Amino acid sequence: RKEVEQDPGPFNVPEGATVAFNCTYSNSASQSFFWYRQDCRKEPKLLMSVYSSGNEDGRFTAQLNRASQYISLLIRDSKLSDSATYLCVVSRRTGFQKLVFGTGTRLLVSP
Amino acid sequence: NAGVTQTPKFQVLKTGQSMTLQCAQDMNHEYMSWYRQDPGMGLRLIHYSVGAGITDQGEVPNGYNVSRSTTEDFPLRLLSAAPSQTSVYFCASSYSRDRSLEETQYFGPGTRLLVL
Repeated sequence: RKEVEQDPGPFNVPEGATVAFNCTYSNSASQSFFWYRQDCRKEPKLLMSVYSSGNEDGRFTAQLNRASQYISLLIRDSKLSDSATYLCVVSRRTGFQKLVFGTGTRLLVSP
Repeated sequence: NAGVTQTPKFQVLKTGQSMTLQCAQDMNHEYMSWYRQDPGMGLRLIHYSVGAGITDQGEVPNGYNVSRSTTEDFPLRLLSAAPSQTSVYFCASSYSRDRSLEETQYFGPGTRLLVL
């Protein structure tokens, strides 16, 4: 079983739609949680950190459920430019932030 | 700032050849790391460094060597390339702020390696 699991998609949605991705992690010692965005043939870039209380950044909302060990990302009012792969990432702090990446969920937003 | 830079962008090797992937950062980050990305696998940590002169193994270190003689540079050496090392390689760096859990890792643009 992978330590971080995501539905690979693709999720095909029209512009303006709301879409949600979930991610589960298996290691209860995980301490930090992130969503990274990766455009085709580009490097991953941090989209947002995920806090226990939930957090919002514009059209993006991230939630963490430690008891069930899952993380979610909600995108409202989808734009064409949101088309990308979204990587769920967790880390265990042992003197160095070792990131464990999910394989990503691909989002395609169409006109 | 250029951020994290990697060279080359693309490389084709024959089995058994050696090469060095270069990575440099100009953000004075303490931490640097190398990942490889393969279809269906996600990014996996190869080696990492928490400062000049200090390196350690990640999840998939076999067949790779690293060194960190300066804060800025963190080259990855393939000792004897194998087809299984065909992948996209990303270098990343981050800054340790009082060992905060929230450091952002900044990735370089990647090196696409094909081993024949």
